[in-house]
Amino acid sequence: SQTIHQWPATLVQPVGSPLSLECTVEGTSNPNLYWYRQAAGRGLQLLFYSVGIGQISSEVPQNLSASRPQDRQFILSSKKLLLSDSGFYLCAWSSGNTIYFGEGSWLTVV
Amino acid sequence: QKEVEQNSGPLSVPEGAIASLNCTYSDRGSQSFFWYRQYSGKSPELIMSIYSNGDKEDGRFTAQLNKASQYVSLLIRDSQPSDSATYLCAVNGANTGNQFYFGTGTSLTVIP
Repeated sequence: SQTIHQWPATLVQPVGSPLSLECTVEGTSNPNLYWYRQAAGRGLQLLFYSVGIGQISSEVPQNLSASRPQDRQFILSSKKLLLSDSGFYLCAWSSGNTIYFGEGSWLTVV
Repeated sequence: QKEVEQNSGPLSVPEGAIASLNCTYSDRGSQSFFWYRQYSGKSPELIMSIYSNGDKEDGRFTAQLNKASQYVSLLIRDSQPSDSATYLCAVNGANTGNQFYFGTGTSLTVIP
């Protein structure tokens, strides 16, 4: 069966510091991969999605970036965090017409 | 106009009652529709998917789809306190199968 893992689960970072969130999927090949952000009390905002290695589409221009170095690995990064980057970050995968989420990463920028 | 709209609630129902959650979408060509449950502080988990007009039942859950009215609903029968969560409606984009659009969610509280 397919599983998705992301880490770290929680982190507290100072403003201006870098960020790296990692996600891996097991049990499937060539999945579509996604990064969403959910601010407190708000809906899911699609940040990036990828249909293959090195193929990244950005939905929201900002100080975040994503990379897909391997088929089942998706990384969310930032060089300098802003206070507004705080939120719940969700990695997700899809192999067709259903999307499944990882456990999520809580980021607090202080 | 938002792609997917839901009443944010909160919706409160007594234990054992039927909870009714509603969702409308803007893209008439959408093909796939989903309901996710999200407990506080956790990630969304898929509870139902529906692809054709009509009702689809799974245990205490029934999803209803009306493409002509661009309307999706979720009924929860015999509501339990453990059903208290935020319910997200999601739609698979018509023009590209890679895109999923989510509503902001409806908060449901089941009162014992």
